[in-house]
Amino acid sequence: QKEVEQNSGPLSVPEGAIASLNCTYSDRGSQSFFWYRQYSGKSPELIMSIYSNGDKEDGRFTAQLNKASQYVSLLIRDSQPSDSATYLCAVRLSNDYKLSFGAGTTVTVRA
Amino acid sequence: EAQVTQNPRYLITVTGKKLTVTCSQNMNHEYMSWYRQDPGLGLRQIYYSMNVEVTDKGDVPEGYKVSRKEKRNFPLILESPSPNQTSLYFCASRDGQDNQPQHFGDGTRLSIL
Repeated sequence: QKEVEQNSGPLSVPEGAIASLNCTYSDRGSQSFFWYRQYSGKSPELIMSIYSNGDKEDGRFTAQLNKASQYVSLLIRDSQPSDSATYLCAVRLSNDYKLSFGAGTTVTVRA
Repeated sequence: EAQVTQNPRYLITVTGKKLTVTCSQNMNHEYMSWYRQDPGLGLRQIYYSMNVEVTDKGDVPEGYKVSRKEKRNFPLILESPSPNQTSLYFCASRDGQDNQPQHFGDGTRLSIL
């Protein structure tokens, strides 16, 4: 079982719609969770971090964490063409210094 | 400006010719790490360093070396590069606290012929 798994893409949504990205992780003791956005050929950039169960909102982005279900999600509201990118879920595993990444979900926002 | 700087950004070289990719950060971060990114495989950690003179293997360390003689620098060394090391490489750093996110460099695209 992979440490971090993301729903397979690509995900295509119309402009203005909500894009929903899902991520599950295997280590029940994980405490830190991050969403990165990566444009083609560019480096990952942090868009959200979440550490507690529940929702965390930042502008059009909402991260949701459910530790009991080992599940973290990212919602992008009012999707814009500039949101077209690959979104990486990253989890800091317990008792480990490393950050484990999912393979990423590519989102395309259709104008 | 806070940043992680990698050099070179692009390199095409031949099998067996030793190369070094430099990484430098100006944020006084304790933790630094190297990743490679390949299509369909995501980001995989090669090596990481918790502080000066402290390094450890990540998930895919074979064929790579690192050193951490100074806090700001964390070079990645390929002693005898092979074609399967053709990839996009990222250096990252973060503050020592476990809940801090990582900041990535712009990436180095290596092609080993």
